[in-house]
Amino acid sequence: KNEVEQSPQNLTAQEGEFITINCSYSVGISALHWLQQHPGGGIVSLFMLSSGKKKHGRLIATINIQEKHSSLHITASHPRDSAVYICAVANTGNQFYFGTGTSLTVIP
Amino acid sequence: DSGVTQTPKHLITATGQRVTLRCSPRSGDLSVYWYQQSLDQGLQFLIQYYNGEERAKGNILERFSAQQFPDLHSELNLSSLELGDSALYFCASSVRAGGPRVETQYFGPGTRLLVL
Repeated sequence: KNEVEQSPQNLTAQEGEFITINCSYSVGISALHWLQQHPGGGIVSLFMLSSGKKKHGRLIATINIQEKHSSLHITASHPRDSAVYICAVANTGNQFYFGTGTSLTVIP
Repeated sequence: DSGVTQTPKHLITATGQRVTLRCSPRSGDLSVYWYQQSLDQGLQFLIQYYNGEERAKGNILERFSAQQFPDLHSELNLSSLELGDSALYFCASSVRAGGPRVETQYFGPGTRLLVL
């Protein structure tokens, strides 16, 4: 049983398209993280949120605590957005659970 | 550059051996997290230290141990290595301001371990 489920697993988009990646979790959480991992392997934390919505540039993250669901949106997608996006949750004991990731390819 | 450094970048060793991975957190960060990323299991949380003390424990095997030193750098020790321990090991740091709460984490570049 996976504590964190992401969809889709793979996503191909044309440059400029609006992209949504979904994350559902089954544990009580203190925070949810969206991470970006580029082909070279480096990981960058995009957002950490425990309620509501956050925006950074073309990226928007939302969370619905009651429904145990979060979405990551990318507006006006660009080839440089091509990466694996990973949802992670921290439970109240500060243990972390990760989704399997969504591999995004943006075609010029 | 996240400000988190990890050494070595690559490590090749044999089954049964012991290795030590090192992580230096961002200046002022008190928390260090260790993660394992393998092809078959994805990212897994291993352990967290906060200001020298173990704070949270995940799927860390008994053959693995970690510690955080007074200068806040951390080491992850892996012993009796098996083929399945081959993975990318990341550390991350957080909590510049102090206090044991979840915050944005800054990841190091990882150590790629290959067990032959």
